[in-house]
Amino acid sequence: DVKVTQSSRYLVKRTGEKVFLECVQDMDHENMFWYRQDPGLGLRLIYFSYDVKMKEKGDIPEGYSVSREKKERFSLILESASTNQTSMYLCASSLGGSSQPQHFGDGTRLSIL
Amino acid sequence: GQQVMQIPQYQHVQEGEDFTTYCNSSTTLSNIQWYKQRPGGHPVFLIQLVKSGEVKKQKRLTFQFGEAKKNSSLHITATQTTDVGTYFCAGLQNRDDKIIFGKGTRLHILP
Repeated sequence: DVKVTQSSRYLVKRTGEKVFLECVQDMDHENMFWYRQDPGLGLRLIYFSYDVKMKEKGDIPEGYSVSREKKERFSLILESASTNQTSMYLCASSLGGSSQPQHFGDGTRLSIL
Repeated sequence: GQQVMQIPQYQHVQEGEDFTTYCNSSTTLSNIQWYKQRPGGHPVFLIQLVKSGEVKKQKRLTFQFGEAKKNSSLHITATQTTDVGTYFCAGLQNRDDKIIFGKGTRLHILP
């Protein structure tokens, strides 16, 4: 079974802090994704990566950056956290190609005070 | 911009009643995927449809992909309490190979 592990289930940070959300997958998947989920807005894609050191902007990349130094790890970085970034963050991975099913982690509920 | 619209946003049904959620895209899709997210959980992949007019079944769940590959539906027959959750469709856009998620339909079952 594919395992996608997000480093924290709950996280509380302060406005202006630099925040790192980590995601690791154990199935040698090429593709990795970061989403945020907010009530009534569904899943919105922040960034994705099809290969090591490769990244592509999703629909809402502003205020975020990502890092993929190793195939199994995809990090989401909030450069200077703001209260409107309080949300549930979901990481996902999939095999190579654009039509493969995505496997999600349990999510990180991030609160910015 | 490109969108995948999903309706309804919420649905309350009596246990035993049927339920349907619909997904519509403004552009032709290469394929469509369906996911289920239980309360407090994460989205879990259910199925993928690829062919025009395709119909697939998983026990009480029936998935359809429209002839024009612009819409899809998920129908649950005789709902049970275990069906509670949010159902998402995700369409792979033909033109740019991006997957777009619908906003989901939250299903609540009344006992």
